Amino acid sequence: DQQVKQNSPSLSVQEGRISILNCDYTNSMFDYFLWYKKYPAEGPTFLISISSIKDKNEDGRFTVFLNKSAKHLSLHIVPSQPGDSAVYFCAASVTSGTYKYIFGTGTRLKVLA
Amino acid sequence: DTEVTQTPKHLVMGMTNKKSLKCEQHMGHRAMYWYKQKAKKPPELMFVYSYEKLSINESVPSRFSPECPNSSLLNLHLHALQPEDSALYLCASSQTNGVYGYTFGSGTRLTVV
Repeated sequence: DQQVKQNSPSLSVQEGRISILNCDYTNSMFDYFLWYKKYPAEGPTFLISISSIKDKNEDGRFTVFLNKSAKHLSLHIVPSQPGDSAVYFCAASVTSGTYKYIFGTGTRLKVLA
Repeated sequence: DTEVTQTPKHLVMGMTNKKSLKCEQHMGHRAMYWYKQKAKKPPELMFVYSYEKLSINESVPSRFSPECPNSSLLNLHLHALQPEDSALYLCASSQTNGVYGYTFGSGTRLTVV
């Protein structure tokens, strides 16, 4: 049972436009969420996080939105740049004890110059 | 030093071999993790060490044996692996319980022949 899902395996966006990556989860106990970016032959790198007490968190060009009632979060990248081309994973955890993050299947973003 | 270093980057081993994967961090993180990632799949948690003690084992077969000799080092000993164990093995570390996410290494690409 995939508790964290990214239903779009790939996404292509023109440079300068907005990229929106989506993530859905099924476990209502999840209360902390992360986005990671992964380039080929490298480990995932942390991008941005959001706690369930918030519905938005912004860091430069990256904004994460959380809709708890819909069990849905999204990552907005504005403006998109060719260097943003990578695989993006969302991850979710329950904040008690040791945090065990469950990762989504990933979305491959391609930003076209 | 803000990196997690994994060695080797690539490993090919036979099903009767014994090998070890190594992971090192000098960020003072007290939690360390092993994840396994197959192609086009999300990273899957294998083991978590917290303060050098094994705190989570996600029902991993005994042919994988983790070891945490000190707070900076994490090993994964491999013995009698199967071809289906071929994957990217990612090490990560975090402050205490990982609420702010992990820092990942670039992984060891393992091929079992």
